[in-house]
Amino acid sequence: QSVLTQPPSASGTPGQRVTISCSGGGSNIGSNFVYWYQHLPGTAPKLLMFRDNERPSGVPDRFSGSKSGTSASLAISGLRSEDEADYYCASWDDSLTGYVFGTGTTVNVL
Amino acid sequence: EVRLVESGGGMVQPGGSLKLACVTSGFTFDEFGMHWVRQAPGKGLEWVSSISWNSGATAYAGFLKGRFSISRDNAKRSLFLQMNTLETEDTAFYFCAKGPFKQMKYNWFDSWGRGILVTVSS
Repeated sequence: QSVLTQPPSASGTPGQRVTISCSGGGSNIGSNFVYWYQHLPGTAPKLLMFRDNERPSGVPDRFSGSKSGTSASLAISGLRSEDEADYYCASWDDSLTGYVFGTGTTVNVL
Repeated sequence: EVRLVESGGGMVQPGGSLKLACVTSGFTFDEFGMHWVRQAPGKGLEWVSSISWNSGATAYAGFLKGRFSISRDNAKRSLFLQMNTLETEDTAFYFCAKGPFKQMKYNWFDSWGRGILVTVSS
């Protein structure tokens, strides 16, 4: 059972902006960094964001992250067809002494 | 180029055991913490276990109840997951992932393998 809650799906047309929320608690998002991963089934997941809002090299600046209190968000601007994938937030949880993932959000480009 | 390749998956009966391996290349293996993450069919990503660079620290997901054991062989650039007393709920793709630093806590997973399927069924 996931500790971090995300909406099951999000969608937009090419060029639009889509935002994915991630809701947690004080022992995870509230006191630790948030990370975001992109996953296409059958492939290796890919790191999209670390330390709440830092992008690894190679990730386009269309992707941005933010955090406030015990919630975080990933925004995708200028939506493109190749952005269709599953997106997961994650964090370290001090109470569980381990990593927790979000429930996952499937992004559809209409 | 960082490469992580999992092996050792397959079908096993409930109560059985399996040992997964992750062979790595493209980076200095003994300088980074390593992790296992799984994805059951139709479900989301779920963290399984982590180990620090020198095996001095390990962590496990609570649902494992001591059934799995993570280890590494730095000389062979390899990560392992010994899975015992397997249950049907353990059926999943298991991914090997690399951390950005030596310790295994408070970090992200910056490179991943493509995963290996473990099926637990009678």
